[in-house]
Amino acid sequence: EIVLTQSPATLSLSPGERATLSCRASQSISSYLAWYQHKPGQAPRLLIYDASNRATGIPARFSGSGSGTDFTLTISSLEPEDFAVYYCQQRSNWHTFGGGTKLEIK
Amino acid sequence: EVQLVESGGGLVQPGGSLRLSCAASGFTFSTYWMTWIRQAPGKGLEWVANINQDGSETYYVDSVKGRFTISRDNAKNSLFLQMNSLRAEDTAVYYCARDRLWIWDYWGQGTLVTVSS
Repeated sequence: EIVLTQSPATLSLSPGERATLSCRASQSISSYLAWYQHKPGQAPRLLIYDASNRATGIPARFSGSGSGTDFTLTISSLEPEDFAVYYCQQRSNWHTFGGGTKLEIK
Repeated sequence: EVQLVESGGGLVQPGGSLRLSCAASGFTFSTYWMTWIRQAPGKGLEWVANINQDGSETYYVDSVKGRFTISRDNAKNSLFLQMNSLRAEDTAVYYCARDRLWIWDYWGQGTLVTVSS
């Protein structure tokens, strides 16, 4: 089973700052990585698929990069609505989720 | 607008059964795989099961095999999850999601299942 490790577990930043979230796979997953945003009581939302493709309706401040084992989700300038938990997920070999990064307001 | 609305959650005793439903709208339901994903309290997301377009293929996480059954009714744009022999560890919010080859592009808001005596 491919294990996805997200870091940091918690990221404390202020609106307007840049956020960089990491996801590392235990073996190469090519570019088969997605990122999801999840707020309490709401439906999770697909942000990025296949490492760098923004999903429908996702603002340009969200970008994804990486391939192989190391991936990054970048939020260029945080808006108040961006504070949430972010999960990465691979679909290269079956499918697994990372443990999540909580992005909180500093 | 794509909408997925889950229902059927609730409190059930260990060993009991529950049937979850997911009503889909805003897209051609019969042309998509569909998936159930859950989140236990304080935990991350866990894929549970999925089903192909005509219901002829289904897949399950090992922990629910033989206890849960995923099904669909394309005429009614509905997805189901029959859960039997429920255990405390099945307590979670259950989400249905539209599945594009293991990319889950739309999700419902979830329904809470609590297994407790």
